[in-house]
Amino acid sequence: AQKITQTQPGMFVQEKEAVTLDCTYDTSDPSYGLFWYKQPSSGEMIFLIYQGSYDQQNATEGRYSLNFQKARKSANLVISASQLGDSAMYFCAMREGHLVAGGTSYGKLTFGQGTILTVHP
Amino acid sequence: EAQVTQNPRYLITVTGKKLTVTCSQNMNHEYMSWYRQDPGLGLRQIYYSMNVEVTDKGDVPEGYKVSRKEKRNFPLILESPSPNQTSLYFCASSSNYPTSGRPYEQYFGPGTRLTVT
Repeated sequence: AQKITQTQPGMFVQEKEAVTLDCTYDTSDPSYGLFWYKQPSSGEMIFLIYQGSYDQQNATEGRYSLNFQKARKSANLVISASQLGDSAMYFCAMREGHLVAGGTSYGKLTFGQGTILTVHP
Repeated sequence: EAQVTQNPRYLITVTGKKLTVTCSQNMNHEYMSWYRQDPGLGLRQIYYSMNVEVTDKGDVPEGYKVSRKEKRNFPLILESPSPNQTSLYFCASSSNYPTSGRPYEQYFGPGTRLTVT
């Protein structure tokens, strides 16, 4: 079963408008981290924002915010005031943590399929 | 500067010719991992290593080998590459004992674009 689902293969937004990229996840672990990455056409993975499963507040990083709805298992990325440079592929990802003797063992990073965002002038 | 480096960044090769993609990190991270990225599939884990001399299969290990003889290096070996291994490959690392505010974060290398003809 898909652990991370991004249902929007492509999204379009007008410059200066806000856009929401959807992400739902599935886990039975109480401890996990959620990430959004941006991948421009050059290919590198750029970290955007992080939300821990125990974080009480939604994460924000500049123009990026994460709308974390734990009960619904959703972690949507909101980009405010879109810019032409925001055109890229966006990936949602989750990493589960398992409590072991002495701390936490971190599992693999599981990615969604990605959403291509195009910002129109 | 803290970073993960990969070499080569681009490689075109022929079927069956053994190749190695190197990965090195300077953050003293215990955990290292290889991913491949294919259109419509996102990134999938190939192999990972929890520490030196400890490696394990990810979701798509067939056709790949890894080794972890030193903490900083985690090379990916394709003994007999085939066209279906044409992909974008990423190496990533993280600490098993993080102290930062993002304990689950993995740090990614710049990627290696591999084409097998």
